[in-house]
Amino acid sequence: DVVMTQTPPSLSVAIGQSVSISCKSSQSLVYSDGKTYLHWLLQSSGRSPKRLIYQVSNLDSGVPDRFSGTGSQKDFTLKISRVEAKDLGVYYCAQTTHFPDTFGAGTKLELK
Amino acid sequence: EVKLQQSGDELVRPGASVKMSCKASGYTFTDYAMHWVKQSPGQGLEWIGTIIPLIDTTSYNQKFKGKATLTADKSSNTAYMELSRLTSEDSAVYYCARSSSYIYWGQGVMVTVSS
Repeated sequence: DVVMTQTPPSLSVAIGQSVSISCKSSQSLVYSDGKTYLHWLLQSSGRSPKRLIYQVSNLDSGVPDRFSGTGSQKDFTLKISRVEAKDLGVYYCAQTTHFPDTFGAGTKLELK
Repeated sequence: EVKLQQSGDELVRPGASVKMSCKASGYTFTDYAMHWVKQSPGQGLEWIGTIIPLIDTTSYNQKFKGKATLTADKSSNTAYMELSRLTSEDSAVYYCARSSSYIYWGQGVMVTVSS
């Protein structure tokens, strides 16, 4: 299985600060169609996960442009600019290029 | 509006089985696979398997073969997952999610295995 390694495991942030989360995969996530199926999800406390970004850098509808995703092959980053209170929770990267789908262990974003 | 409505939380005895449901609405049920994901207490997410309702084909994470059985009822737009021979390791929240897009998720079913 593809191992997804997320760092850091947790982040303490002040409102208005910017943060980055890293996600590294054990294999390239480029699929045979040339696309990279690396996604970012946010799970707020007590809620189901919610997808924020798909295929590395595409924001889902309603996701503010304070969020951005970059990367390629095996190395990916989620950046959140000007963190707001509603951004708090656990962020997961997920790959759906290879069988089975696998997820990172999560990065908990909390208030400093 | 796409909605995945899961059945209620379960308290089950060790060794027993549990079957949970995920009722889909707001889209054509047979157009998308249904995935199931496990979240153990305080842990991350694990993909259990998927069912393609149109052709009743399933695919499982090797780790969950023999543990989980996925089915679907096209007449009621409902996907099911049965977990067998439950142990404390199976205590978790189980989610259904529409396809590998992971855009739409159910609200989760908390399964507690306890005597």
